[in-house]
Amino acid sequence: EPEVTQTPSHQVTQMGQEVILRCVPISNHLYFYWYRQILGQKVEFLVSFYNNEISEKSEIFDDQFSVERPDGSNFTLKIRSTKLEDSAMYFCASSVTGGNNEQFFGPGTRLTVL
Amino acid sequence: DAKTTQPPSMDCAEGRAANLPCNHSTISGNEYVYWYRQIHSQGPQYIIHGLKNNETNEMASLIITEDRKSSTLILPHATLRDTAVYYCIVRGNRDDKIIFGKGTRLHILP
Repeated sequence: EPEVTQTPSHQVTQMGQEVILRCVPISNHLYFYWYRQILGQKVEFLVSFYNNEISEKSEIFDDQFSVERPDGSNFTLKIRSTKLEDSAMYFCASSVTGGNNEQFFGPGTRLTVL
Repeated sequence: DAKTTQPPSMDCAEGRAANLPCNHSTISGNEYVYWYRQIHSQGPQYIIHGLKNNETNEMASLIITEDRKSSTLILPHATLRDTAVYYCIVRGNRDDKIIFGKGTRLHILP
C-alpha cells in the first residue's frame, strides 16, 4: 500500500541553524500538508500546498518557515533559524484532492533544537 | 478550536467492542464527522468519516445520531494494537486543514 515517507526520522540541531525536513507524498496526490505536534500537545496544522503554492497557513507558519516542492516527488519544510520552541514532531500529509478528503500522514520527523 | 467534545480516556477489554463517543452539537449541514487515531507518536491514521448515514469499513463503524449532534466510533473487536488516541473531527467540505482536539486515549486491557 502506498505511503507517505519522511526523512530524517530524527533531526538534532543547534538554535539558530536552518533545517530542512523532507517528505515524499503518495505519488498521485496533489495536495500536501505539514502539521506539528509539540510533546504532549495537540497536532497543529501549519500549512497546505497545492499547485506549487501555499493555499492556507496557520499563525504558527511565520516568516521563519517555508515550503517547497523542488521536484516531482519531494515536499520540504524549511525552518530558517530554529528556536528552542520549534522542537516537535513534524508530520507531512498528502491527499488526492483538497477539501473534504482523507489525508494520509507520514511517520513524522522528530526535531530537537538545542 | 476543535468543534468536538470527547472523554479524555477510556478503557476497553481486549476482544470487546470499543465504543468511543463524540459530541458535536454545533455541527452544520455541510460538515462531515471524521475519525483519526494516533498510535504513540506515529502519524495520525485515518479511520472513517460520514455525513448523515452510518458508515462501516474494515476498521470500524461510525454511528451518527439523527440530529447529527453526536456520533460513536465502534471498533468491533478491540485488540492491544488499537491502544491509541482517537480524534473525532468535524470538517466542512471545503476545509483542507484538519483541526485536531485532544482526543480520547483508549487503553485496551489484556
